[in-house]
Amino acid sequence: GQQVMQIPQYQHVQEGEDFTTYCNSSTTLSNIQWYKQRPGGHPVFLIQLVKSGEVKKQKRLTFQFGEAKKNSSLHITATQTTDVGTYFCADFTDKLIFGTGTRLQVFP
Amino acid sequence: SQTIHQWPATLVQPVGSPLSLECTVEGTSNPNLYWYRQAAGRGLQLLFYSVGIGQISSEVPQNLSASRPQDRQFILSSKKLLLSDSGFYLCAWSGGGDQPQHFGDGTRLSIL
Repeated sequence: GQQVMQIPQYQHVQEGEDFTTYCNSSTTLSNIQWYKQRPGGHPVFLIQLVKSGEVKKQKRLTFQFGEAKKNSSLHITATQTTDVGTYFCADFTDKLIFGTGTRLQVFP
Repeated sequence: SQTIHQWPATLVQPVGSPLSLECTVEGTSNPNLYWYRQAAGRGLQLLFYSVGIGQISSEVPQNLSASRPQDRQFILSSKKLLLSDSGFYLCAWSGGGDQPQHFGDGTRLSIL
């Protein structure tokens, strides 16, 4: 079946540094959703990407969908301690397949 | 607005005991409902989903089962828990299709 992988698995950054997580699939991605899960919490929907090459921004967060729809990325500019958590991408075909997640730790 | 309730928040059960986790959604009708399990530090594994009352699709063969007795109620059950059933169980709902999923607060299940 389809596998959605994310790299890196973990990332530790100093507050103010940038952060990027990459989402890759063994098959062409259909419809990418990004979620954030705070430590001890539940996943919260961030954004959805549908079109090839699509770029969406939410304040310091930039989401991209690859031109070939084989990958997606989330970039955070100037991280803050409130950005701590695990970021998941998920591909929707007939159901949502979650990626392996990237855990972000931000040191003040 | 829509809300999703999941309980209990934490549960400690002995091996071989039964399980019943309940999830209810308010403020919407005919939602798609989902049960996920998340092992510590890992991703989300889809266990069951339902598109309507009495309609259950199982994703992973296991000793768990799910039921949807009412439109906005989703129950996860087991007759005999195994040690490997430990984890963080999350219920979610969506409006169907590729619409975003909205998660409950989860149940942390520990099997002793």
